[in-house]
Amino acid sequence: AQKVTQAQTEISVVEKEDVTLDCVYETRDTTYYLFWYKQPPSGELVFLIRRNSFDEQNEISGRYSWNFQKSTSSFNFTITASQVVDSAVYFCALSDTTYKFYFGSGTKLNVKP
Amino acid sequence: ETGVTQTPRHLVMGMTNKKSLKCEQHLGHNAMYWYKQSAKKPLELMFVYSLEERVENNSVPSRFSPECPNSSHLFLHLHTLQPEDSALYLCASSQDHDRSYEQYFGPGTRLTVT
Repeated sequence: AQKVTQAQTEISVVEKEDVTLDCVYETRDTTYYLFWYKQPPSGELVFLIRRNSFDEQNEISGRYSWNFQKSTSSFNFTITASQVVDSAVYFCALSDTTYKFYFGSGTKLNVKP
Repeated sequence: ETGVTQTPRHLVMGMTNKKSLKCEQHLGHNAMYWYKQSAKKPLELMFVYSLEERVENNSVPSRFSPECPNSSHLFLHLHTLQPEDSALYLCASSQDHDRSYEQYFGPGTRLTVT
């Protein structure tokens, strides 16, 4: 069974629009960690955020915000006032007691000027 | 150099060739990883090294052979590859091999097998 699901394969928005990338995860462990990574066309995955399962506070970093809801097993990522430089593939990942990273299949975000 | 570096960035090889991918991390981390990223597939974890010892090998064909001579360097030796092995190979490192640590990735090696 897939542990991390990113149902949105590709999203296109116009610059300055807000966009939310969905991530749904599956685990039986009570202690786990969730991550978001950005992969620009250059190929390198860039770490954005880590959240542990005991901290459900939402987090905001500039134009980025994350909404963690254990009740729905979701860890969604919102970009406010999107910019062309935000165009990339975004990956959600889960790490649980198996000490593995489970990556979702990624959501490709296209921000058009 | 900072972060995680990988060489070469691009590699084209025939099925009978032998080549090696190199990864170096400058972060003082203890764990290193090889991933394969194919088109339209999630990242596939291939190998994990913790303190220079292999701790995981996810059913990877023997034509891929990893080597970790020290905690800063990781190699992936390739021989008699198949066209389906064409992919982006990503190296990553983390503070330790623990679920709580984020991984830092290199830029990858784009491999084409002809």
